[in-house]
Formats: sequence, structure tokens, C-alpha cells
Amino acid sequence: KNQVEQSPQSLIILEGKNCTLQCNYTVSPFSNLRWYKQDTGRGPVSLTIMTFSENTKSNGRYTATLDADTKQSSLHITASQLSDSASYICVVSTGNQFYFGTGTSLTVIP
Amino acid sequence: DTAVSQTPKYLVTQMGNDKSIKCEQNLGHDTMYWYKQDSKKFLKIMFSYNNKELIINETVPNRFSPKSPDKAHLNLHINSLELGDSAVYFCASSPPARDRIHSNYGYTFGSGTRLTVV
Repeated sequence: KNQVEQSPQSLIILEGKNCTLQCNYTVSPFSNLRWYKQDTGRGPVSLTIMTFSENTKSNGRYTATLDADTKQSSLHITASQLSDSASYICVVSTGNQFYFGTGTSLTVIP
Repeated sequence: DTAVSQTPKYLVTQMGNDKSIKCEQNLGHDTMYWYKQDSKKFLKIMFSYNNKELIINETVPNRFSPKSPDKAHLNLHINSLELGDSAVYFCASSPPARDRIHSNYGYTFGSGTRLTVV
């Protein structure tokens, strides 16, 4: 069964600290993996997208990694800011279908 | 210049009513989607349309019906609304499969419509 699981479910960190979010998937065949940021009351916005051959992709303070062998991905946030408070959603695609994780709720406190 | 726009942003209605949510995209994408986000923030796909053809139809009640007058629009009609329909509904669009990996937009979401059935 195609599934995407994320951990932790929620996370609270101090401003300026780093954090890492995890995504494990069983989706097959694999086409690509995206990380989205969803601010409260807004639609998800794409942060990174990685294909099978890519194992790391950065977007500013966000760095995503992908291990296609173990079917794991992580999103590392460096020097967190208050504006990073949001839900982070991992989405794995077969090319035609998209499978969403349940998300990690990140709260950055001053 | 909004890429994927949904209206209304908020919708409060009584049980049994029929309502519609509109979605428009100006990205030139060929596939549009409707997602339902429940109280646990889980996004579940409801429908997708590619060139006016329904290509994904998850097990949603037939009270929900997508209508696509053209490639840039995918509206969601809901009949006989129930309390359990309360959720946030997101519209999204994506370019042709061959372009999705390289497109900066890729899979783009609207800002959501919060539906509350009372």
C-alpha cells in the first residue's frame, strides 16, 4: 500500500535553532518527492522537489535530503525564524498520482 | 497576480443546502485537482481533471461533483451538505507530466476554502 509517514507530528523549537523533519514512504513506482510548507489558513507552497537521482536539494535555509534506497527523506531547517512556524508536508509522486503525508506542525518560539 | 485562486475563502451554510466553490488557474496547467483537508490537517485528493476528463475519482460521496467549463477552471459543487463536510477544500493545478519535474511551479495550490456546515 502506498503510504507516506512523517515525524514528528509536532515540534516546538527556539528561534535560531536548527531542526530536522522526517518523511518515510512506501510509494511505488517512485517519481519524485516534494516538501511543502503550509502556513495557517493558506495553501501549501512548494519548498523543494527531488527525483530518484538527487539526494540533496536546498532552498535558502531549507535543505532536503533523499535516500531512495531506504525510501526516506528529511527536511533540515537552519537558523529557524518565527516565520518558519507552519505545517510541513511531504508529498511523494508516482508521476500520475500524489500521496500526501499527514504533516509536521512546527512552532518556532522567541 | 494569483496563480490558483479559489472563491469564496470562507463559506458557512446550513445542512441540506447546495453550494459551489470556484477555482481558476492562470498558469496554463492542464490538470486541476480538488483536495479536502480534514481537522487533522491530512490532505486527501477528491478529484482531478485533465483536459476536461476525470482521471482520478477517489471514493467521495456522489453529492460532490466537479465541473470544468474549460481548462482554466474546476468548480466543486456539493449537494445536500452534511456536518461532516466541514473542512478546508483546496484546489490545485499541475502542468503536463513531462514538465512537472522542471517547472518552478510544479504542483500549485490555491489558498483554500473553509467550509463550515451548521
